[in-house]
Amino acid sequence: EVQLLESGGQSAQPGGSLRLSCAASEITFSTYAMSWVRQAPVRGLEWVASVGAAGHDSYVADSVRGRFTISRDNSENKLFLQMNDLRLEDTAIYYCATGTGFFNIWGQGTLVTVSS
Amino acid sequence: EIVMTQSPATLSVSPGERVTLSCRASQSISNFLAWYQQRVGQAPRLLIYGASTRAPGIPARFSGSGSGTEFTLTISSLQSEDFGVYYCQQHDTWLWTFGQGTKVEMK
Repeated sequence: EVQLLESGGQSAQPGGSLRLSCAASEITFSTYAMSWVRQAPVRGLEWVASVGAAGHDSYVADSVRGRFTISRDNSENKLFLQMNDLRLEDTAIYYCATGTGFFNIWGQGTLVTVSS
Repeated sequence: EIVMTQSPATLSVSPGERVTLSCRASQSISNFLAWYQQRVGQAPRLLIYGASTRAPGIPARFSGSGSGTEFTLTISSLQSEDFGVYYCQQHDTWLWTFGQGTKVEMK
């Protein structure tokens, strides 16, 4: 069974940084585009970023452009989200998911809380 | 940005009933529409993509229809495990956007 396991979520102060990871198993990771989607109580589900299977092309939402970077390590079957200059509104559960466009398989999420 | 609007916000139903959920896009998205189910405490699960194609392992009681700006998710006979929140999402334009969700609760 395909599994995606996120980690790295924790509390952070505004202006701080965090790096989220997503470890994939039972999947030919290098053949899948991957994405991050977040869910906040007020803002609902929001696509954050996607990266192509080879890692050469990536896209980020306007709300995080210039602050968040998506990357991957196909040799380690891992996806990353580097989050800089965190804001209060970045507080959410962050999910990694397979695919771009629509999202087929989801991890269970990791909670990021930004507060002063 | 394409805005996705779902209705109703909440639907109270009994097991065995037929359920119809609606989703409207602010501009035409052809058939690039996905539906997700989210149970309490769980991640979303893909049900439908391309407006009408069921994802692997999704029961036949779930069906999707529509094109352009108007879409529908139908559950032919609601089962107890189907209670939760349903989201639509457009996958036409790369700033992919979700609806705000419809909660299906027990009557």
